[in-house]
Amino acid sequence: RKEVEQDPGPFNVPEGATVAFNCTYSNSASQSFFWYRQDCRKEPKLLMSVYSSGNEDGRFTAQLNRASQYISLLIRDSKLSDSATYLCVVNPADRGSTLGRLYFGRGTQLTVWP
Amino acid sequence: GAGVSQSPSNKVTEKGKDVELRCDPISGHTALYWYRQSLGQGLEFLIYFQGNSAPDKSGLPSDRFSAERTGGSVSTLTIQRTQQEDSAVYLCASSSAGGVRAQYFGPGTRLLVL
Repeated sequence: RKEVEQDPGPFNVPEGATVAFNCTYSNSASQSFFWYRQDCRKEPKLLMSVYSSGNEDGRFTAQLNRASQYISLLIRDSKLSDSATYLCVVNPADRGSTLGRLYFGRGTQLTVWP
Repeated sequence: GAGVSQSPSNKVTEKGKDVELRCDPISGHTALYWYRQSLGQGLEFLIYFQGNSAPDKSGLPSDRFSAERTGGSVSTLTIQRTQQEDSAVYLCASSSAGGVRAQYFGPGTRLLVL
């Protein structure tokens, strides 16, 4: 089983829509979670970290459900510029370990149309 | 501050030649990662350096691939006897504390093997 699994999409939504992506992870001891975005032919860029209590950054909200081992990203009031691939990222290392590496999902593709 | 830099930006080589790709991580970052990404595909982990620990080489696809990190800073990824299937974007990332902290990516090296 893969460490991180995502629905590849594509998701096609109109401007102004709300869209949500989910991601599941296999290691229940995982401690660090992130969402990245990757534009076409560009490198991935950190969008936001995901905290246990959930966190919000403007139009973006990230949630963590440890019991079900999934992470979600909600985008409100979608903009054309939100069109990208969104990557779910998990560190399955035990708490306090700095040795573990991050595992990337394959990404969910989003297209926002006018 | 300066981000992760990679060189060259683009590399075209002939099948069977050796290539070296360079990564300069963010100053002070102890962890350094190499990935590759083929067109339309997800990130493929290659190798991970964390401080003075032995590198995690579990992602290297064959013994033609090797990487070094000198003085805990600059890293070089070497591909010997390149094959056409090695054509991809090679991405380097660094982070301040292994898997606990987010990674920051360089712009990548686009490698084309003819």
